[in-house]
Amino acid sequence: EPEVTQTPSHQVTQMGQEVILRCVPISNHLYFYWYRQILGQKVEFLVSFYNNEISEKSEIFDDQFSVERPDGSNFTLKIRSTKLEDSAMYFCASSDLLTGRYEQYFGPGTRLTVT
Amino acid sequence: GQQLNQSPQSMFIQEGEDVSMNCTSSSIFNTWLWYKQDPGEGPVLLIALYKAGELTSNGRLTAQFGITRKDSFLNISASIPSDVGIYFCAGQEDRDDKIIFGKGTRLHILP
Repeated sequence: EPEVTQTPSHQVTQMGQEVILRCVPISNHLYFYWYRQILGQKVEFLVSFYNNEISEKSEIFDDQFSVERPDGSNFTLKIRSTKLEDSAMYFCASSDLLTGRYEQYFGPGTRLTVT
Repeated sequence: GQQLNQSPQSMFIQEGEDVSMNCTSSSIFNTWLWYKQDPGEGPVLLIALYKAGELTSNGRLTAQFGITRKDSFLNISASIPSDVGIYFCAGQEDRDDKIIFGKGTRLHILP
């Protein structure tokens, strides 16, 4: 069964450094998303991406964040200058317009630790 | 912003018991989704609901989209040890891409 994959599974970085989190969405999906989950809390929406542009973003997704689809398979989240409060699990998700746009399928996550 | 209230926060049950959890929102949703999350993993989609009043099953799981479009419940029948985890409701409003998650119900099964 096709699934969303994410790399790395765990990233440790120092405050102020840039990080890039990578995702490979399910191959025939057209909508891509990033969410984050601070330890012990609920999953929070960051950004959605469709047709090579951001379609919606939350207040969390400020100028420090950017997303990109550099090729036909990868979808990345970049944090330009990490802060301690960026430490969280980051989940990529994708969905398919034909089978149900709002049935979002999540990857296993990248645990980001900012020290 | 939109709020989802999910209850109970946690449940301790005996293996074989039935489980019920629910979610209410302050606004009308077009879609309700139920996910399960195991420790250290991503949420896994269990059931998606698209119409008010819709009742959908997935094995031992049954979920309903409330008539008011502001609530949903999930039932698990005859619980087994692998049902342990955190169950999240999530909803989507009209014209939004994002889904809003509840805070989760943590299910524990006593031996």
